[in-house]
Amino acid sequence: QVQLQQSGPGLVKPSQTLSLTCTVSFSVGSISSGGYYWSWIRQHPGKGLEWIGYIYYSGSTYYKSSLKSRVTISVDTSRNQFSLKLSSVTPADTAVYYCARVMSNGAFDYWGQGTLVTVSP
Amino acid sequence: EIVMTQSPATLSVSPGERATLSCRASQSVSSNLAWYQQKPGQAPRLLIYGASIRATGIPARISGSGSGTEFTLTISSLQSEDFAVYFCQQYKNWPPSLTFGGGTKVEI
Repeated sequence: QVQLQQSGPGLVKPSQTLSLTCTVSFSVGSISSGGYYWSWIRQHPGKGLEWIGYIYYSGSTYYKSSLKSRVTISVDTSRNQFSLKLSSVTPADTAVYYCARVMSNGAFDYWGQGTLVTVSP
Repeated sequence: EIVMTQSPATLSVSPGERATLSCRASQSVSSNLAWYQQKPGQAPRLLIYGASIRATGIPARISGSGSGTEFTLTISSLQSEDFAVYFCQQYKNWPPSLTFGGGTKVEI
């Protein structure tokens, strides 16, 4: 059994950096066990899902090309955590942000609870 | 980028009826396709991967089919808990890339 718990502020001012953390709990194993990627996805209000990027426990990352210049995903294996930083946010970045585990085939099998992040003065 | 198109946008059905949802890819993704269910205020839930493999705990009334560019999610007899939004996702070129469809809302 795997559980993902998200934390971070729900309100960010324009031009600042959005920061979220996902803590992963395992009945057996850890992020360092490998075999899975760890991802961030967002959903604009009333819209579909947008993949942001993901990271492997080794630190290898992949980012969506349109967000690449503003996104950093990092991992802390000692704490079983991975984090998202999105810089220079605008109101267009207002969305529910999810963390999720990616299976080796590319499907997302476990998700965090979601965090609504509003970008507003 | 592979574009995923879902239809219809909204599907109105009655409990006990059969629901058929479609997902089309702009180019072949083979069987590299997943389906998710999302209820209001909740995270998506994986239903199907590999186009037709049910995820753990998914009831047999939910099934997936198709390959290449045309895919179908079928719910054989709708239960009250099945009214939700459904998304498809392709992962043919993963890593690095993957894309989601726009979703189909199944409503009463």
